[in-house]
Amino acid sequence: EADIYQTPRYLVIGTGKKITLECSQTMGHDKMYWYQQDPGMELHLIHYSYGVNSTEKGDLSSESTVSRIRTEHFPLTLESARPSHTSQYLCATSFAGAYEQYFGPGTRLTVT
Amino acid sequence: ELKVEQNPLFLSMQEGKNYTIYCNYSTTSDRLYWYRQDPGKSLESLFVLLSNGAVKQEGRLMASLDTKARLSTLHITAAVHDLSATYFCAVDLFYGGSQGNLIFGKGTKLSVKP
Repeated sequence: EADIYQTPRYLVIGTGKKITLECSQTMGHDKMYWYQQDPGMELHLIHYSYGVNSTEKGDLSSESTVSRIRTEHFPLTLESARPSHTSQYLCATSFAGAYEQYFGPGTRLTVT
Repeated sequence: ELKVEQNPLFLSMQEGKNYTIYCNYSTTSDRLYWYRQDPGKSLESLFVLLSNGAVKQEGRLMASLDTKARLSTLHITAAVHDLSATYFCAVDLFYGGSQGNLIFGKGTKLSVKP
């Protein structure tokens, strides 16, 4: 089972601020994902990475960007936060060749 | 475009009753996943179904997969309050590949009442 950490867990920030949501994992999984989930709604994939220096956009258009410089870290950045970015952001990982995704505890973001 | 549809979206049931949640998907895939999410929490993996006819059981929950019908079911037997949660099914985006990108259904919010 993967150990996945997300920080911060909760964040309230004003419009226009730059924020970075951190996701780290200790299992050496190659694949990492970012999902966006509004309360009570389905998950939407916004970014994924299959390894270091690999990043792709998901099926939901997002103004955020990601980087994968190290296997264990997959930070998500919003250059200028807006109220429409208010949501829960979930990070997930999976091992190459495996099928199951393991989810972190999530970051609940509120942009005022 | 792969679509994943769950029904019902809301389910209120009494303790001790049985019920089934359905997950239909629109294109060929041979891998389906069930997750549980408690309010305000993250997702917990319940079942990974990797082939046609796969059946897995854990406690009062049993999941099955029919790839020909593009249908998975999550059957609840003798429900208890602790099963109250939102249940998501998810399907692999690419058939036969190993990309591992998942498309999620909208989730079924289950409430088990005494």
